[in-house]
Formats: sequence, structure tokens, C-alpha cells
Amino acid sequence: EAQVTQNPRYLITVTGKKLTVTCSQNMNHEYMSWYRQDPGLGLRQIYYSMNVEVTDKGDVPEGYKVSRKEKRNFPLILESPSPNQTSLYFCATRARGGTEAFFGQGTRLTVV
Amino acid sequence: KQEVTQIPAALSVPEGENLVLNCSFTDSAIYNLQWFRQDPGKGLTSLLLIQSSQREQTSGRLNASLDKSSGRSTLYIAASQPGDSATYLCAAPYSSASKIIFGSGTRLSIRP
Repeated sequence: EAQVTQNPRYLITVTGKKLTVTCSQNMNHEYMSWYRQDPGLGLRQIYYSMNVEVTDKGDVPEGYKVSRKEKRNFPLILESPSPNQTSLYFCATRARGGTEAFFGQGTRLTVV
Repeated sequence: KQEVTQIPAALSVPEGENLVLNCSFTDSAIYNLQWFRQDPGKGLTSLLLIQSSQREQTSGRLNASLDKSSGRSTLYIAASQPGDSATYLCAAPYSSASKIIFGSGTRLSIRP
């Protein structure tokens, strides 16, 4: 079964405490990306990766880092989280070309 | 700038009605167009994917059409049910790598 798995699903943390949200896919997809979803702002892309060791900024990359050391994993790192990063985060994957995008279940992050 | 727009932002109809949700995009150079459903606070469930070379796709009571020349896609829901209540998002990846541009969604409410 095609799966995009994010962990954790819910996280409450304090300002400045480094955290990582993991994303793993079992479809051997080249493209992976991270989005955040906020009321009134919709879904906005944070970072994306076209393949292993190839990453690039999306629309709202400030305060985030990513890495793509393996094809299946694309972790999102918040080195020093701030309250304005409180949001619902989604990881997405798709194969090269015009194919269907698959999304993880989402991670609801609260930074206090 | 590539944009995806959904109108209306919210729609409420009585159970049993057929309805149409609209999606428009500014640039016809899309790879495909995908419709998603999102329940409150939950992840994105893929409903239909229309490739750029196709004009429509059907799944059960859902039918999605794509007209690249006019920059429009519609999602037709037949015989609506209360369980169809959710937010519906359209999204299109463009030629620029993996970026998918989302519409802001239509929040659909089906009244029993």
C-alpha cells in the first residue's frame, strides 16, 4: 500500500527547542516537499526536493531546514521554533512527471 | 505569477442536490490537476487526478473536468450527501519541478 508517513502527528513544544518532523514514503518517488497550512493562507510550500541530495526553497522557507540523504526520507527541521511556526504541516510526494501527489496525515505543531 | 483560485469559498446546499465546484488557474502549462478533500484538521485525500492531455475523470458520484484553454476545472458531485461535507481543494503542479500550487478551497456543507 502506498504510504506517506509523518511523525509525530501532534506536537506541543516551547520556543527555541529544536525539533524534527519526519516524513517517509514507500513509493520510490523522486519528488518530496513540505507544506504548511494556516487559516486564511491555505497551503504554502516550505521546501522541496527533486531527488537525493537535491533540495530547494519553496515560498516560506525561513526558520526551516531539510535534508534528503535517502530517497525515502525527507525530515523537516526547526532549529529554533517560534510561535509563528504553529501550524498544520504536510509532507507530499510524487513521481517524476505529471503524476498523482500523495500527502501524509499531517503534523499539528504548537509552539508556546 | 501562477495562481489557482476557487470560487465560492463556501457553499451550503440541501442533501440530494447535484453541485459544481469551480477551480481556475492562470497558466495553462500545468502537468495535471488534482482534486482533494480535507476534513477539519485532517489530511488531504486525493479524489481525482486529470492529466493535462485529458478532459475529464470520473469516480463514483464525482466527475472532474479540465479545460486548459480557458484555465478552468470543475468538480461535479452528484446526489450530494451529508458525508460529502468537507473542504475541497484543487491543485496543479507546473513545469517548475515539484511545486504544486493549491487553491484556497471551497468549504462545502450538505444540509440533511
